[in-house]
Amino acid sequence: AQSVSQHNHHVILSEAASLELGCNYSYGGTVNLFWYVQYPGQHLQLLLKYFSGDPLVKGIKGFEAEFIKSKFSFNLRKPSVQWSDTAEYFCAVIPFSGGYNKLIFGAGTRLAVHP
Amino acid sequence: GAGVSQSPSNKVTEKGKDVELRCDPISGHTALYWYRQRLGQGLEFLIYFQGNSAPDKSGLPSDRFSAERTGESVSTLTIQRTQQEDSAVYLCASSLGYPLNQPQHFGDGTRLSIL
Repeated sequence: AQSVSQHNHHVILSEAASLELGCNYSYGGTVNLFWYVQYPGQHLQLLLKYFSGDPLVKGIKGFEAEFIKSKFSFNLRKPSVQWSDTAEYFCAVIPFSGGYNKLIFGAGTRLAVHP
Repeated sequence: GAGVSQSPSNKVTEKGKDVELRCDPISGHTALYWYRQRLGQGLEFLIYFQGNSAPDKSGLPSDRFSAERTGESVSTLTIQRTQQEDSAVYLCASSLGYPLNQPQHFGDGTRLSIL
């Protein structure tokens, strides 16, 4: 079945460690890619997005993601995490096969950063 | 400015009862989406409204689920004869609608618990 896969469900890091969260999707053709973040007690918000152009996308708070078409991947990275990055991170894809703006989400990765 | 507003924030009800969840989208957003997030899982698409077009109901899990939206305003998601597996957080999102890849803005969700 077509899907969005996030390989790590829980990640625990110390402050200043580097972060990489994996995301793979199984849709062919044109896709738009997103990472959303949900901080404790807050609503989901957009972290970054890729539509076209430079496959290395920079988002808010020092996050970036790289679209690798051949690997169907859109991994999220941050060189040095902070305690305030503790949150749940969701990868999402719009596959342009049905014509609708339907976001397909991964299961999420819960990140805990220890001071 | 005002974001997406959902009510109630929490709802506890007995199995078999009907529930109605409300979503007020951001003013001017023509697209409105409902998602369900079960504990430990990603967001599951339920239904999508775009302006006056016929809604995409492909994600509704059973005929106990229905949603209405009048024009480009408030939407209600109704679950009839609730079951324990309906327990989840129900999220609403809105976007500008066009182009189709406009980022979605999420509400805080309604946490539904079926006893």
